[in-house]
Amino acid sequence: GQNIDQPTEMTATEGAIVQINCTYQTSGFNGLFWYQQHAGEAPTFLSYNVLDGLEEKGRFSSFLSRSKGYSYLLLKELQMKDSASYLCAVRDSNYQLIWGAGTKLIIKP
Amino acid sequence: DAGVIQSPRHEVTEMGQEVTLRCKPISGHNSLFWYRQTMMRGLELLIYFNNNVPIDDSGMPEDRFSAKMPNASFSTLKIQPSEPRDSAVYFCASSSEISSSGANVLTFGAGSRLTVL
Repeated sequence: GQNIDQPTEMTATEGAIVQINCTYQTSGFNGLFWYQQHAGEAPTFLSYNVLDGLEEKGRFSSFLSRSKGYSYLLLKELQMKDSASYLCAVRDSNYQLIWGAGTKLIIKP
Repeated sequence: DAGVIQSPRHEVTEMGQEVTLRCKPISGHNSLFWYRQTMMRGLELLIYFNNNVPIDDSGMPEDRFSAKMPNASFSTLKIQPSEPRDSAVYFCASSSEISSSGANVLTFGAGSRLTVL
């Protein structure tokens, strides 16, 4: 079957760095996405990785290792507004998105 | 662009009633998706359309659910009759061609929060 695993909840301190991991087992691979979802709102796109390596976008970076079925989202200089759920999703060989359950990130002052 | 527009934003209804959720995708996007999100099950794909044609409805829970896309700018998700277990947030999302290379990012609407009493 297809499976995406990510921690249920993480806590970090304002100004610090946090890494949210995602491991996947899917039928084929055509890219990995990270979405951010604030409570009561819709998911919004953060990053896309299709090749191995690190993609940096401001305070956020996303890493992919296809051979290990692994990705992480790195958030630097954490701000209170970064408190949200972070969803990992993999596009399989049929170009269907398989979603993880999301990681709820709590930022403390 | 106004983004993906969904209505209603909130709906409270009684068990057995018909519920119709509406979605207007982003102009130029030819793929449209209906998702349901609950705390227990997370984000679940119900059905998706490509060029107004339903491609995969394997996620539709049962015959009480139906979806249509009569044209490129409008889609509906209907639940008849509704049951308490249908209570969830229903998201509509659109993207450009899903089978092509590239990110083809999903843009979600604000969601319709359904409560069935």
